Amino acid sequence: GAGVSQSPSNKVTEKGKDVELRCDPISGHTALYWYRQRLGQGLEFLIYFQGNSAPDKSGLPSDRFSAERTGESVSTLTIQRTQQEDSAVYLCASSLSLSRADEQYFGPGTRLTVT
Amino acid sequence: AQRVTQPEKLLSVFKGAPVELKCNYSYSGSPELFWYVQYSRQRLQLLLRHISRESIKGFTADLNKGETSFHLKKPFAQEEDSAMYYCALNNAGNMLTFGGGTRLMVKP
Repeated sequence: GAGVSQSPSNKVTEKGKDVELRCDPISGHTALYWYRQRLGQGLEFLIYFQGNSAPDKSGLPSDRFSAERTGESVSTLTIQRTQQEDSAVYLCASSLSLSRADEQYFGPGTRLTVT
Repeated sequence: AQRVTQPEKLLSVFKGAPVELKCNYSYSGSPELFWYVQYSRQRLQLLLRHISRESIKGFTADLNKGETSFHLKKPFAQEEDSAMYYCALNNAGNMLTFGGGTRLMVKP
C-alpha cells in the first residue's frame, strides 16, 4: 500500500499566522512520530503517538506547538502564531508499534516557510 | 540522556575511495543503533541496523561499545552513494534519537 503521506508539501505563511500540518501514516501503524529538520541541522524529535495518545510532549519546542491524532490514523501538527524560527521541514514517520520504533517509515515532509 | 554525534557535516570523497562516516553515541543502557539515508528528493529511509550485522549497498557498520561508536564504512564509494546519512539510537522502545547528519558527496 501507500507509504506515509504528508500535506501540504510546501507551506508559506506570514509570521503570526497559525498553520496545520497533516500526516497520514501507513495503515495499521499504531505509532506515529513528528520531527523537525531545520536547514543545515539534523532531525529534531518533537512528539510521538501510541494510538491516539501522546504521553510525552516535552519535545515540542514551545506551547505554540500542539499535535493530535484521531482514529489511530491521521495526525495534525499545529503551530500557532508562527515565528520565522519555525521555518523547517517537518517530517512525520510511522511504525507498526512503539516496540518497532527502530523501523520507522518516513513521509516526504512539509516544508514550512514563515515570512 | 542519550545523544548521537556525527562530527562531520560534510564528507567529500572521490569515486572508488573508501569512506567512513563517523557516529558516536552516549547512552547508559544497551544501545540499538541504526543508519538512515536520505537520497536527493527521496524520503529518509532505514539503511542498516547494528543488530542484523548486515551489509547494505556495500555499507557496513560495527558497534564498538568500548569507543561508543557506530561508524558507517564502505570500501569503494560510488557516485550514487551521495546522500545525507543519519546515525540514530533507539532508547529501548519509543523513540529514535538522531545525529546531526553527514552529507556525503562522491565526486567522479
